[in-house]
Amino acid sequence: DAKTTQPPSMDCAEGRAANLPCNHSTISGNEYVYWYRQIHSQGPQYIIHGLKNNETNEMASLIITEDRKSSTLILPHATLRDTAVYYCIVRGYTNAGKSTFGDGTTLTVKP
Amino acid sequence: DGGITQSPKYLFRKEGQNVTLSCEQNLNHDAMYWYRQDPGQGLRLIYYSQIVNDFQKGDIAEGYSVSREKKESFPLTVTSAQKNPTAFYLCASSLTGGDGPYNEQFFGPGTRLTVL
Repeated sequence: DAKTTQPPSMDCAEGRAANLPCNHSTISGNEYVYWYRQIHSQGPQYIIHGLKNNETNEMASLIITEDRKSSTLILPHATLRDTAVYYCIVRGYTNAGKSTFGDGTTLTVKP
Repeated sequence: DGGITQSPKYLFRKEGQNVTLSCEQNLNHDAMYWYRQDPGQGLRLIYYSQIVNDFQKGDIAEGYSVSREKKESFPLTVTSAQKNPTAFYLCASSLTGGDGPYNEQFFGPGTRLTVL
């Protein structure tokens, strides 16, 4: 699986959009980009994933660059409950479901 | 109510004892995974299983063992050979072990193991 690089921490004001970047410059053509988040002492929660097109669901939007070397997770209206560690990972057929989680980005939403 | 369960939430053991962590899923998923998480760090893959009666080592398998005798169960044994077993252990499952749309991992609540 391709490695990912994320900033260690970010702050966001409550009600504003949170934009979390992820670099995955070695991603290959059949690898998907997945985003999860982990609230303290809980299991990670799936947020969204995509291959090459932008995706949106009830939780977030995922913007993937045309060359697929980076992506941005957007939480459109961050709330205090969005404070968590956000993980960006890539997964593909070659590693049969193995997912490497880096240290993620700690997002702190402030009132 | 479908999901993935881990028990117990907190577990204490004496050094040198083997301990088995439970993971059960009723999502009818083929693939299951075990991760270890140390404070302030990300998840590291211990073992994974793509199908019943088959499993593969992950990045940090030494000192751990697993079995996959039933589709819904994937217990992890932390053996006395694991030099630093105190950690937060997370179990996950996914529809298949391959990839494609809608193959996200579902995680359990975790077991916090403390070896005294």
